[in-house]
Amino acid sequence: DGGITQSPKYLFRKEGQNVTLSCEQNLNHDAMYWYRQDPGQGLRLIYYSQIVNDFQKGDIAEGYSVSREKKESFPLTVTSAQKNPTAFYLCASMKGVTGNTIYFGEGSWLTVV
Amino acid sequence: AQRVTQPEKLLSVFKGAPVELKCNYSYSGSPELFWYVQYSRQRLQLLLRHISRESIKGFTADLNKGETSFHLKKPFAQEEDSAMYYCALSEISGSRLTFGEGTQLTVNP
Repeated sequence: DGGITQSPKYLFRKEGQNVTLSCEQNLNHDAMYWYRQDPGQGLRLIYYSQIVNDFQKGDIAEGYSVSREKKESFPLTVTSAQKNPTAFYLCASMKGVTGNTIYFGEGSWLTVV
Repeated sequence: AQRVTQPEKLLSVFKGAPVELKCNYSYSGSPELFWYVQYSRQRLQLLLRHISRESIKGFTADLNKGETSFHLKKPFAQEEDSAMYYCALSEISGSRLTFGEGTQLTVNP
C-alpha cells in the first residue's frame, strides 16, 4: 500500500523535551514538506526539501529542525525552543519539484504539557 | 512574498443551494492555484487546480488575474460537500505551496 506514513498519530511530551515526528513515503517523491495546522490559521509551512541532503525554511521554522538523509524520509524535530508546540502536524510529498499534486499524510497530534 | 486569503472561516448553505468559497491571493509572479479539501476523518486531498480547468464533484474555479481571485463554486450543494476547504498557491516554477486559512463548509439538509 503506497503512500505517506506519519508516526506516531498521537504524542504527549513534557515541556522542555525535544520530540521527533516521523514521515516516510514510498511514492518515490522528490519533494517533502512539513506543515503545521492550527484552527483558524490554516496550514503553515515549517520546512521543505526538494532533494536529499537539502532543505529550506518555511514561514515558521523557528524552534524546529529537519533532516533529509534518505529520499523516503523527512523527520521533524520539535525542539524545546518552540514556544507553542502543541498542534497538528502534517507531512506531505510531491513528485518532482514543481507543478505536481502534493499528497498528505494523516497527520500527527502533538500535545506538550 | 506569496499570500492566500480566505475571508470566510465558516460557510453554511442548504442542500441544493449554490455555494461559493472565496479565495484571494497576492503574488508578483505567475501563480498556480489549487483547492484542497479535507473531509471528516480523511486526509487533506487535492480537489482541483486551475491549470487543469476541469470540474471535480461539480466544483469549478476560475483564476481571475485582474481581481487576483480563485473562487470555488458549485451550483447545487450536496450534504457530502461538507468539509474544510483550503485554497493554495504555488509558483509555476517552484515547489513551495502556501495555504489560506481554510473555510469550513456545512451543507444542511
